[in-house]
Amino acid sequence: AQSVSQHNHHVILSEAASLELGCNYSYGGTVNLFWYVQYPGQHLQLLLKYFSGDPLVKGIKGFEAEFIKSKFSFNLRKPSVQWSDTAEYFCAVKGGSQGNLIFGKGTKLSVKP
Amino acid sequence: NAGVTQTPKFQVLKTGQSMTLQCAQDMNHNSMYWYRQDPGMGLRLIYYSASEGTTDKGEVPNGYNVSRLNKREFSLRLESAAPSQTSVYFCASSEDRNSGNTIYFGEGSWLTVV
Repeated sequence: AQSVSQHNHHVILSEAASLELGCNYSYGGTVNLFWYVQYPGQHLQLLLKYFSGDPLVKGIKGFEAEFIKSKFSFNLRKPSVQWSDTAEYFCAVKGGSQGNLIFGKGTKLSVKP
Repeated sequence: NAGVTQTPKFQVLKTGQSMTLQCAQDMNHNSMYWYRQDPGMGLRLIYYSASEGTTDKGEVPNGYNVSRLNKREFSLRLESAAPSQTSVYFCASSEDRNSGNTIYFGEGSWLTVV
């Protein structure tokens, strides 16, 4: 069965710091990978996704993620965070052509102004 | 274009009461989903409907039933609510269940069972 592991439960950064949130998955076959963001009190929104091609994926708001197949990882990065990036971030994996989307437990990001 | 709309947004139930969460999408999507979100647990799939007329269990289906009323609507029913069902419920939809299709989420329904 597929699973997703997010390494950090809560990350606290100052504005302008660089961000990297870890995500590892377990699934032996072809996967599609997603990062969703949930701002306080809001629903989940898609940040970026990978399903084929260039393993470095760029998303909205300056976020990017790199798929490293050999490490089963899909880490999220941003060079310089802003206070408005305070949110919870969820990594998700969809295994196989008709698999369900499985979420990690989420990482809360708090950015201090 | 409203996307995915859920009602109610907030609900308090007593243990043993029943209720139905309604969900509708206006994107002509084939697949719809119900997730629950609990602190430290992420989102877990309760039920999904790959297409109109079909429903399947997800990761945590116990205590819930669903109905895919038509292509637009997918409801979630709690027949006899329990405190363990206190959660935030998200309805979602996607074009279909094929790889790469984005899943779009509703704004959530906060349910408290006392």
